[in-house]
Amino acid sequence: AQSVTQLGSHVSVSEGALVLLRCNYSSSVPPYLFWYVQYPNQGLQLLLKYTTGATLVKGINGFEAEFKKSETSFHLTKPSAHMSDAAEYFCAVSEPGGSNYKLTFGKGTLLTVNP
Amino acid sequence: KAGVTQTPRYLIKTRGQQVTLSCSPISGHRSVSWYQQTPGQGLQFLFEYFSETQRNKGNFPGRFSGRQFSNSRSEMNVSTLELGDSALYLCASSFSRANTGELFFGEGSRLTVL
Repeated sequence: AQSVTQLGSHVSVSEGALVLLRCNYSSSVPPYLFWYVQYPNQGLQLLLKYTTGATLVKGINGFEAEFKKSETSFHLTKPSAHMSDAAEYFCAVSEPGGSNYKLTFGKGTLLTVNP
Repeated sequence: KAGVTQTPRYLIKTRGQQVTLSCSPISGHRSVSWYQQTPGQGLQFLFEYFSETQRNKGNFPGRFSGRQFSNSRSEMNVSTLELGDSALYLCASSFSRANTGELFFGEGSRLTVL
């Protein structure tokens, strides 16, 4: 069975500082990996995804993530935080060739950006 | 292009009642998935439909059911409501048959059970 662990349910950074949100996964096969963002009272929006190929993935709003198979990690980073980045971020996995669209989500990390 | 539309956005029910939630996917999307979001359990997969067929089901009791119509619109139903069913129910649609997980989510239906 797959699982996702997001270290830190709440991360607080200053505007302009580096954003690092951690995600580790457990899967019997190399999974597909995703980061979604949820703004208050809204649904989830895909930030970026890794399926195959280049392990450094760039997404929207200046975010990127690197798939590290040896560390079973897919951490999300952004060089410089903006106030508009304040939201909840979810890491998710799915199994290639497995159940279509059955994503397993982490518990989420709430990002606060201080002025 | 209109996004995923969920109705109603908010509703309040009492224990023992039943509820039906509706989801209209993005035009052209044939896959619709449902997720339950609660503070304690996070996001949990309920079920997924493609071309009116349920392809996958999560680990929820039989009180939770769904269906998809020929126009890809989907409904989910929860019978005999319990307090623990209070949650945000999210619908997501997708165009691709492949398991790339690129889902487009609606804003959700927030159910409160009293």
